[in-house]
Amino acid sequence: DAKTTQPPSMDCAEGRAANLPCNHSTISGNEYVYWYRQIHSQGPQYIIHGLKNNETNEMASLIITEDRKSSTLILPHATLRDTAVYYCIVRLYSGAGSYQLTFGKGTKLSVIP
Amino acid sequence: EAGVTQSPTHLIKTRGQQATLRCSPISGHTSVYWYQQALGLGLQFLLWYDEGEERNRGNFPPRFSGRQFPNYSSELNVNALELEDSALYLCASSRDRSETQYFGPGTRLLVL
Repeated sequence: DAKTTQPPSMDCAEGRAANLPCNHSTISGNEYVYWYRQIHSQGPQYIIHGLKNNETNEMASLIITEDRKSSTLILPHATLRDTAVYYCIVRLYSGAGSYQLTFGKGTKLSVIP
Repeated sequence: EAGVTQSPTHLIKTRGQQATLRCSPISGHTSVYWYQQALGLGLQFLLWYDEGEERNRGNFPPRFSGRQFPNYSSELNVNALELEDSALYLCASSRDRSETQYFGPGTRLLVL
């Protein structure tokens, strides 16, 4: 799986948009970009994933650059409950190979009142 | 729809003992993954089961083993426990190997 690079920490004011960047410059054509978050040693929570196009769901939006070498997770109106470690993961989606997730250190997002 | 469930939530063992952790995937999911998260470390992939077969394992010694049952639930066994096995053990399931993985709440194992 391709490696990802994320800033170790970020702060965001409550009610503002949180924009979390991720670099994945060696991503392959058959790999998705996934985002998970982990709140205080609970099980990781799935947020969103995408291949090429931008994606939006009830939790967040995912913006993937045209060359697919980087992406940004956007939490439109951050709340205190969004304080967590956010993981950007590149994972195979088809073909022979292994489908486990490879977690890096993630970004610790702190939402400030 | 019920999520991934794991039992027990906490487990305390002593060095040299064996631990058995259990995971029930989301209904309809056939792939089960196990991950270890030791204190201060990231999540490390342990084992992957799909359709009852072990498909891949991470860089862990053979005393970490498991199986997947016909109903797709799974069991992780850790033999000859060592202090450094103390960790949060997470199970995830997916509808099939290429689909999104959803995680359970984890089992916290403490080895004394």
